[in-house]
Amino acid sequence: LAKTTQPISMDSYEGQEVNITCSHNNIATNDYITWYQQFPSQGPRFIIQGYKTKVTNEVASLFIPADRKSSTLSLPRVSLSDTAVYYCLVGASTKIQGAQKLVFGQGTRLTINP
Amino acid sequence: GAVVSQHPSRVICKSGTSVKIECRSLDFQATTMFWYRQFPKQSLMLMATSNEGSKATYEQGVEKDKFLINHASLTLSTLTVTSAHPEDSSFYICSAREAFSAKGGRSTDTQYFGPGTRLTVL
Repeated sequence: LAKTTQPISMDSYEGQEVNITCSHNNIATNDYITWYQQFPSQGPRFIIQGYKTKVTNEVASLFIPADRKSSTLSLPRVSLSDTAVYYCLVGASTKIQGAQKLVFGQGTRLTINP
Repeated sequence: GAVVSQHPSRVICKSGTSVKIECRSLDFQATTMFWYRQFPKQSLMLMATSNEGSKATYEQGVEKDKFLINHASLTLSTLTVTSAHPEDSSFYICSAREAFSAKGGRSTDTQYFGPGTRLTVL
């Protein structure tokens, strides 16, 4: 299982763009990169998933360089409600192998200030 | 779509009693579900993998006789904490895997998490 490394904490302000980078040097060919958001006393919420280049949805963008050894979650114009812990995970499954378990790192505690 | 529920959301019990937590995938079938435990200010720790119709696979250090897992259907997995003690007090979270085929024939999956169950053992 590929290990991930993220900053322990980050601070930003309302209206700013926040970029959280995750390192996964040992990512395997079949691995996808998935980001989750977790608020206190809640289960993690799926944000975005990607394999290469750029993926964008209604809440975030995910940038993945060609070597795939890192990825950056970009949150546009954050608000106070974006204060949470963000987890980057890598893993994959194939129809043959079945579901691969996810191993959570410590995540990044993002604090948005007024 | 991809909603996972847990019941109960919060439970308080006396030491020595057993507690059952249910995890349901509401709008998709999940052949595999996972159970995690999370202590305050810490990350999620995987406890076991629950496979529909077969025995669960436990992570190292997790007592299978204490944390009983049953995955009787494609939408329901249960975790029973037997003879609970105060040190079992924690936040228990389940996830369910939704599998799909991405472009180019590559198959992947996404795990969706339940809201969690706060267990307090007195």
